[in-house]
Amino acid sequence: DQQVKQNSPSLSVQEGRISILNCDYTNSMFDYFLWYKKYPAEGPTFLISISSIKDKNEDGRFTVFLNKSAKHLSLHIVPSQPGDSAVYFCAARAGANNLFFGTGTRLTVIP
Amino acid sequence: DVKVTQSSRYLVKRTGEKVFLECVQDMDHENMFWYRQDPGLGLRLIYFSYDVKMKEKGDIPEGYSVSREKKERFSLILESASTNQTSMYLCASSMNRGLSSPLHFGNGTRLTVT
Repeated sequence: DQQVKQNSPSLSVQEGRISILNCDYTNSMFDYFLWYKKYPAEGPTFLISISSIKDKNEDGRFTVFLNKSAKHLSLHIVPSQPGDSAVYFCAARAGANNLFFGTGTRLTVIP
Repeated sequence: DVKVTQSSRYLVKRTGEKVFLECVQDMDHENMFWYRQDPGLGLRLIYFSYDVKMKEKGDIPEGYSVSREKKERFSLILESASTNQTSMYLCASSMNRGLSSPLHFGNGTRLTVT
């Protein structure tokens, strides 16, 4: 059973606009969440994370929002750039246990 | 920068062959992981290791084994390859078991079993 879900397999956004990638989870014990970005022919790279004690974490153009009551997190990219085109995975962890990954969302930023 | 190196980018093997996938990390990380990535299924954990000579099963260990004889090296072994093991295999390492210790991934090995 998929504990971390990314229901949108793909997303297209115009350059300069906001990209919003969504992720839902089912396990209320998850207390740390991460986003990874993956380019073709490369491994995923860590992008940004958030602890469950926070509801927002910002790093430059990237902001992650966490809504614990809804078991939902989202990644906002503003402004979107063509180089942001990649597959984005969200991941969640409960304590010192392993990461559970979503199925990924392919973001295409159109110049 | 952490470097995780997987020895092969592409492998083609026959059903029933024994297959070794090798992974080396250069940052003295304690933890190493093997995932497989399949369309529509995301990344699924096969095995992981928190120390030399120790291993723990992940979510899908069936048909696989691992070896960690040295801290920097973590090998994934397919004892008898089958067509349903055709996949992208990703090795990763992390510094420790802390919550904020992210995984660093290699570039992956795309294995095809015919």
